[in-house]
Amino acid sequence: DTAVSQTPKYLVTQMGNDKSIKCEQNLGHDTMYWYKQDSKKFLKIMFSYNNKELIINETVPNRFSPKSPDKAHLNLHINSLELGDSAVYFCASSLGGDRAFKNIQYFGAGTRLSVL
Amino acid sequence: AQKITQTQPGMFVQEKEAVTLDCTYDTSDPSYGLFWYKQPSSGEMIFLIYQGSYDQQNATEGRYSLNFQKARKSANLVISASQLGDSAMYFCAMREVSYDKVIFGPGTSLSVIP
Repeated sequence: DTAVSQTPKYLVTQMGNDKSIKCEQNLGHDTMYWYKQDSKKFLKIMFSYNNKELIINETVPNRFSPKSPDKAHLNLHINSLELGDSAVYFCASSLGGDRAFKNIQYFGAGTRLSVL
Repeated sequence: AQKITQTQPGMFVQEKEAVTLDCTYDTSDPSYGLFWYKQPSSGEMIFLIYQGSYDQQNATEGRYSLNFQKARKSANLVISASQLGDSAMYFCAMREVSYDKVIFGPGTSLSVIP
């Protein structure tokens, strides 16, 4: 049973297309995240949701829109894809709460997006 | 300002030897957590070890230990008895109590030589 699963694993698409990445966690966590890892392996947070509520929205183009239908799911929709969007996108989850700084984030396997 | 610094972009270690991966951090929060993750060539992010700012003892998990020096703001990862499967990128990360996000360092690429 995969704790944090994201689909698809690979996504190859043309510039200008719209695509979605889905993420589900079965850990009972309250908080879910999207990260982007660029070609230099730098990992940067994009969004986080706590119990379906948007908590963090970093400086990300508004072509990226997260959606959390329930606390176990966090999807990422990307409109009008650009070459610079090519990266690995990771979903993660953790417990929330007052002691959140102690909580481990568990990651999905990543989605490698290639925009041609 | 960079909050997490990993000064070693690449490291080599002989199989069965110990290796230390450096991490320094910057925070003014009294409460924070420090994490290390491993990313092998297959791409997944694997949690290795956690150290809390108030923990009196250094964290250990099997062959991994965290050399936590709070006054120096360093949280170095020590891997004992390196194995070929330890070859990977290693990321140091921090979560402050006042910010609901984890900040990652740039990573260190470790290669274990047989």
